Amino acid sequence: AQKITQTQPGMFVQEKEAVTLDCTYDTSDPSYGLFWYKQPSSGEMIFLIYQGSYDQQNATEGRYSLNFQKARKSANLVISASQLGDSAMYFCAYSGSARQLTFGSGTQLTVLP
Amino acid sequence: NAGVTQTPKFRILKIGQSMTLQCTQDMNHNYMYWYRQDPGMGLKLIYYSVGAGITDKGEVPNGYNVSRSTTEDFPLRLELAAPSQTSVYFCASSYVGISTKNIQYFGAGTRLSVL
Repeated sequence: AQKITQTQPGMFVQEKEAVTLDCTYDTSDPSYGLFWYKQPSSGEMIFLIYQGSYDQQNATEGRYSLNFQKARKSANLVISASQLGDSAMYFCAYSGSARQLTFGSGTQLTVLP
Repeated sequence: NAGVTQTPKFRILKIGQSMTLQCTQDMNHNYMYWYRQDPGMGLKLIYYSVGAGITDKGEVPNGYNVSRSTTEDFPLRLELAAPSQTSVYFCASSYVGISTKNIQYFGAGTRLSVL
C-alpha cells in the first residue's frame, strides 16, 4: 500500500520569506501523481499543485513550486514570498494505479508578520 | 460555479440515529469520493464511485453506506450513529482518465457530532 509521510507537524515562517514543506512517499506504481492541498481554518480543501511521476520539469503554480526528487521519493512544496494568508494546514497526497488519493497527516504552517 | 455541493453543513445526531449526507457535483466528473477527517488528522477514504451504479469501499467503510444512481449525486448514509463517527465529512469529485492528473475537487464539508 502507498504511504505518504509529512514529518513536520508545524512550521513557522516570516512574512515574505520562502518555506519548504516536506513530503515523502513510498510506492511500487510505475506511474503516479503527487498533489498538494491547502486547508485554511475555514475548513475547505483547496488544490494547489500537481506533479506527475513522468513529468520532466518540476511543477510551478504562481508562488507555489514542487521540488520533485523521484529517486528520493520526495515531493516538497515550496512557497515563495510567504503571505499572512498562507497560514493554513497543507496536505500532500498521492494517486497511483487505483486513482485514489492517499493523504499525509498534514503540516500546519503559520506565517509571522 | 457550484462545483461540489454538500448538505447539511452542520448536524448533531443522537447515538443510534441515522442520517444521509447529500453530495452533488455539476462538473460531469465520473469519480466521486467520501472522506472523513478527524481533528488534527488527514483525510481517510470511506467510499468511492467510478460511475453511476458502481461503488466500492475505501479505507474506513464500516458504519456507512453509499449509492450512486446518477452521475451528479453521491449520498452517504450513516446507520445507527456512534460517537466514533463524530468527524468532518468531505465529498469530492474528479475526472479520471488515462492521466494520473485526477485532481479532486472538494465540497465545503459537513461537521457531524454524535452525542
